[in-house]
Amino acid sequence: QSVLTQPPSVSGAPGQRITISCTGSSSNIGAGFDVHWYQQLPGTAPKLLIYGNNNRPSGVPDRFSDSKSGTSASLAITGLQAEDEADYYCQSYDNSLSGYVFGTGTKVTVL
Amino acid sequence: QVQLVESGGGVVQPGRSLRLSCAASGFTFSSYSMHWVRQAPGKGLEWMGVISYDGNNKYYADSVKGRFTISRDNSKNTIYMEMNSLTAEDTAVYYCARGASGYVVGDYWGQGTLVTVSS
Repeated sequence: QSVLTQPPSVSGAPGQRITISCTGSSSNIGAGFDVHWYQQLPGTAPKLLIYGNNNRPSGVPDRFSDSKSGTSASLAITGLQAEDEADYYCQSYDNSLSGYVFGTGTKVTVL
Repeated sequence: QVQLVESGGGVVQPGRSLRLSCAASGFTFSSYSMHWVRQAPGKGLEWMGVISYDGNNKYYADSVKGRFTISRDNSKNTIYMEMNSLTAEDTAVYYCARGASGYVVGDYWGQGTLVTVSS
């Protein structure tokens, strides 16, 4: 049902760099709509992590960054920490659906 | 500080209706669009719909269009979602979120309220 596709899981050792992809289409990311990223820690509500072009809300460390190219976007986490274990979702707008869309979600595991 | 508190969840029989509420505080409520998002057990996030700051514009996901209705009362700093003809597939945690520019669904989120549709 989700129109934004993410890998189900990504893992890395502490201190490593990982990336999470978010693949869309010409009606959402490819149409120029911004991609936003949310972090959902176990048992909690989602939290806005990155919005627009690599903007971070207050309190979000600069270990988190994003990029966008064509119909895809990516979230990078550098210096991976145990506290980064969570589910991550990308989100954009789709002009074909005339609605907001979320990615399928990626579970990050710190080895 | 911004706070969003959902209420109204519970167990409801298939085919029945339920109304969720989301009480906001800590910001100028009447200046913001508000969204509903749900998450089925063990599943991802699904956008439900949005209501504009003044309540004049509402947009819904195809999956709930015609069954769910979002409204707001700016005098009470509260949004609502009336859910009709509920099925087991509507079982989920329902979150309200404050919209932000750039098509951000939620710069702040509530803690969620669980709706279980079961006989």
